[in-house]
Amino acid sequence: ETGVTQSPTHLIKTRGQQVTLRCSSQSGHNTVSWYQQALGQGPQFIFQYYREEENGRGNFPPRFSGLQFPNYSSELNVNALELDDSALYLCASSPSGAVNYNEQFFGPGTRLTVL
Amino acid sequence: GNSVTQMEGPVTLSEEAFLTINCTYTATGYPSLFWYVQYPGEGLQLLLKATKADDKGSNKGFEATYRKETTSFHLEKGSVQVSDSAVYFCALSDTGGNQFYFGTGTSLTVIP
Repeated sequence: ETGVTQSPTHLIKTRGQQVTLRCSSQSGHNTVSWYQQALGQGPQFIFQYYREEENGRGNFPPRFSGLQFPNYSSELNVNALELDDSALYLCASSPSGAVNYNEQFFGPGTRLTVL
Repeated sequence: GNSVTQMEGPVTLSEEAFLTINCTYTATGYPSLFWYVQYPGEGLQLLLKATKADDKGSNKGFEATYRKETTSFHLEKGSVQVSDSAVYFCALSDTGGNQFYFGTGTSLTVIP
């Protein structure tokens, strides 16, 4: 069974650019959540996708957007990058939309640096 | 709104010492509570969870009890090992399971 994978591992962008991060969920999981983890902080919930629909959103501006595909893989898009967007971006998958009962399985993350 | 506050670290203990990492929460409704752990060089993984008041989650010798009256979910272990050295995150999910909140993490180092 393949776990959650994310690509790329590292990424460097400049302020104002756009970035797309990718996540492949664990086999059999239809829910993907995205988190931003700044250095020394806990992960901050960005949003959750369940069966290709956004199912919950944290306190992030609209320039953070996402997609989920029929195979349940997902993308996180960030437009108009700011210096404060520099962080580790984590993807987590779970077997159903209700993460209050189901374990989330985390990927290794994508380290984004904005210069 | 919903939030989690956990004990600041870092925490350093000798092997076989007793561990407590405090976690309190603010939430509406009936949240579920979790402890996640991140071992050096590895991704976040679930350690234990409790989905309703007075439930006790346990795993690998760690325990935490969901206390609604004190809005707490403190992590405990009776005798820590060097292999328990990691960063521990307290977290909560809202009633509907559509939002998830982590604390800032507590780094634990266990020395032989």
